[in-house]
Amino acid sequence: EAEVAQSPRYKITEKSQAVAFWCDPISGHATLYWYRQILGQGPELLVQFQDESVVDDSQLPKDRFSAERLKGVDSTLKIQPAELGDSAMYLCASSFAGGGYNEQFFGPGTRLTVL
Amino acid sequence: GNSVTQMEGPVTLSEEAFLTINCTYTATGYPSLFWYVQYPGEGLQLLLKATKADDKGSNKGFEATYRKETTSFHLEKGSVQVSDSAVYFCALNNNNDMRFGAGTRLTVKP
Repeated sequence: EAEVAQSPRYKITEKSQAVAFWCDPISGHATLYWYRQILGQGPELLVQFQDESVVDDSQLPKDRFSAERLKGVDSTLKIQPAELGDSAMYLCASSFAGGGYNEQFFGPGTRLTVL
Repeated sequence: GNSVTQMEGPVTLSEEAFLTINCTYTATGYPSLFWYVQYPGEGLQLLLKATKADDKGSNKGFEATYRKETTSFHLEKGSVQVSDSAVYFCALNNNNDMRFGAGTRLTVKP
């Protein structure tokens, strides 16, 4: 069964360092999402791509976060510099297309700890 | 705006007990509604969904009915098992705006 792949699964870093997370969506899925999930809360959307274009990054802290999906396939989310408050689970999801009827498939997530 | 409110946890039940996790939503128009489940250390898995009023989503013994008149999508299961222990998230998607509830942790004891 096709799955969304994410790496690394766990990342520990010190504040002010740079970190990067990678996501490979299910083959053929045009829409890719990055979410942040703080412990004890539900996921919150950071950025949504349709192919290689950003369609929603209104909740992305652009002073320190960046995301790209250069060839419209895999994607990288970067944080520079990391802050203590960035400690969370970062989830990637993909769907065949955007829109309310399309199921989002989630990867296992990257758990980030900032010391 | 769009939002989801779900029953606070944690919920602890004995095996074979009846489960209800309440979920209500706020949205304009006609959102799609979802229940996701998250097992420890894993991402979210879709449990069931409903895309229009009065639809009933069901999977693995879990059910939820889209009630537009009460803006609710409560999750139910007649007889829970230890393996159902996880965190359950109610979610809506309204015009590509996806919102999740805070999650309800369920623990089922043998």
